[in-house]
Amino acid sequence: DQQVKQNSPSLSVQEGRISILNCDYTNSMFDYFLWYKKYPAEGPTFLISISSIKDKNEDGRFTVFLNKSAKHLSLHIVPSQPGDSAVYFCAGSQGGSEKLVFGKGTKLTVNP
Amino acid sequence: DTAVSQTPKYLVTQMGNDKSIKCEQNLGHDTMYWYKQDSKKFLKIMFSYNNKELIINETVPNRFSPKSPDKAHLNLHINSLELGDSAVYFCASSPRRDRSPLHFGNGTRLTVT
Repeated sequence: DQQVKQNSPSLSVQEGRISILNCDYTNSMFDYFLWYKKYPAEGPTFLISISSIKDKNEDGRFTVFLNKSAKHLSLHIVPSQPGDSAVYFCAGSQGGSEKLVFGKGTKLTVNP
Repeated sequence: DTAVSQTPKYLVTQMGNDKSIKCEQNLGHDTMYWYKQDSKKFLKIMFSYNNKELIINETVPNRFSPKSPDKAHLNLHINSLELGDSAVYFCASSPRRDRSPLHFGNGTRLTVT
């Protein structure tokens, strides 16, 4: 039962362009979402989060959009840089719980 | 200074053996976790501890036993290892039991042959 789905296993973009990573969730009780970035042989690192009371959160080049009616969120990276090449995980949680449910990740490659 | 450190980084062992993975955090966090990333790449929570107290215990076989001697350490002991236990195990910590972002270690790749 995949409560968080990242249907694109990989994405390739040119440096300087926009990267859009998508995430869908099935659990309507989820009210908090996070994105983590993971480089090979390292642990995931926190990138950005969004609460369900918002539909957008921005931090520098990273913006997360939340569409509750569609149970969909997306991470926009503008402009994309080669150092952004990594696996990006979407995660959700519900009811104040610290328990995160992760998607399978999307591997982003930013080509110079 | 590594914030969350796990040892060993790699662990290769045979079925039936018992092994342990150690985790230490120097961030002063109250809450620590074990996550498992299986072959399908899902990261799934196994356990969480808050100030040495077990908080979350997902449906993990009894062969897995976490131990937290103090709030800076959370070790994972696995008895009678099975092929299906092969995975990457990540330790993580957070300041408290809320939605603070997790700080992950670099993982321990366990291979059971």
